[in-house]
Amino acid sequence: AQRVTQPEKLLSVFKGAPVELKCNYSYSGSPELFWYVQYSRQRLQLLLRHISRESIKGFTADLNKGETSFHLKKPFAQEEDSAMYYCALSGDTGNQFYFGTGTSLTVIP
Amino acid sequence: NAGVTQTPKFQVLKTGQSMTLQCAQDMNHEYMSWYRQDPGMGLRLIHYSVGAGITDQGEVPNGYNVSRSTTEDFPLRLLSAAPSQTSVYFCASSYPQAGKLFFGSGTQLSVL
Repeated sequence: AQRVTQPEKLLSVFKGAPVELKCNYSYSGSPELFWYVQYSRQRLQLLLRHISRESIKGFTADLNKGETSFHLKKPFAQEEDSAMYYCALSGDTGNQFYFGTGTSLTVIP
Repeated sequence: NAGVTQTPKFQVLKTGQSMTLQCAQDMNHEYMSWYRQDPGMGLRLIHYSVGAGITDQGEVPNGYNVSRSTTEDFPLRLLSAAPSQTSVYFCASSYPQAGKLFFGSGTQLSVL
């Protein structure tokens, strides 16, 4: 069963416009949610996690347990935000991670 | 600090051949894992390990073997490669239940 859904494969926004990358999940226990990012020619790396409740590079994500969503948002997109973004879920044991299919974000100058 | 090192970066195999993808980390992480990345499928967990001598299956373990004899190394073995195993493979490590995975640079494998 698919546990993490990212409905948008591709997303393009203009520089300075708001951006939202959608992520929905299904899990019966108490998951931990993450956003990972892969910039061109770089390794996949953690962007943020819901328990930290912090803003990284201007991005925020709020866990909505009622809607089972963890959307990633940034009020003003920058060209350097162009990358592949993966939403991920860690189960109760913390040992198994489930990734979404990813959203490729392009910020148009 | 090298982090997570994967070798080789590229590999082409013929159907039925065997090979081992190497993964080493120098951060003293107890947790290590292998993923495959396929178009439209995201990353899927193959196997993982929570410490030396301990391994477990992930979502897509069939066709792959792993072992963990040391904290630093977590090799992934393909015993008889199949075209369906053509993929990009990533190794990742972290402290147990820490949530933050450190990824290697990936191995692009083609099975003809």
